[in-house]
Amino acid sequence: GEDVEQSLFLSVREGDSSVINCTYTDSSSTYLYWYKQEPGAGLQLLTYIFSNMDMKQDQRLTVLLNKKDKHLSLRIADTQTGDSAIYFCAELDMRFGAGTRLTVKP
Amino acid sequence: EAGVTQSPTHLIKTRGQQATLRCSPISGHTSVYWYQQALGLGLQFLLWYDEGEERNRGNFPPRFSGRQFPNYSSELNVNALELEDSALYLCASQNRGDYEQYFGPGTRLTVT
Repeated sequence: GEDVEQSLFLSVREGDSSVINCTYTDSSSTYLYWYKQEPGAGLQLLTYIFSNMDMKQDQRLTVLLNKKDKHLSLRIADTQTGDSAIYFCAELDMRFGAGTRLTVKP
Repeated sequence: EAGVTQSPTHLIKTRGQQATLRCSPISGHTSVYWYQQALGLGLQFLLWYDEGEERNRGNFPPRFSGRQFPNYSSELNVNALELEDSALYLCASQNRGDYEQYFGPGTRLTVT
């Protein structure tokens, strides 16, 4: 099984905030990534965070990193139907979580 | 700039056969990664090639192999196919010194 853990499903209403959580294992991982996979497409890098940061904000995306607990989260503000996809977190050595399927209901 | 391309898009094989999947990285990228995305199992790292050499491999049996050509394109070969090899195989390329991987659309392999 994966060393990086994510919940498999998340459903939110359009306009709400989405929070996708991830627990990783490699405390030495200097970069942590969030990828988005839409149906029929490859993975697209959404954002990444350096391990010496606690938070990174990029428009509607906010990444929070808790190194003590090895916990990473991705918050999507004002979630839109176009945000419906599978979101993967990954460590520097490219160990991926199983992916969280985000469904946005109108 | 053209992205990562993979061929074929779909591949149907029977158990025991061999499958060959191809990947062309973004121009100038020297590293190619292969991943298997099986239903319900998430993304699993398979192989990493850089400058024509295999640099690392994931926890897969030896019947999963590949190579990287002088133009940095890559092939993934799966021998003695088993039903559980049915999955989406993704290729990603990476530029030297960069931390971002760019993924191709994948090849869906179905083993019957």
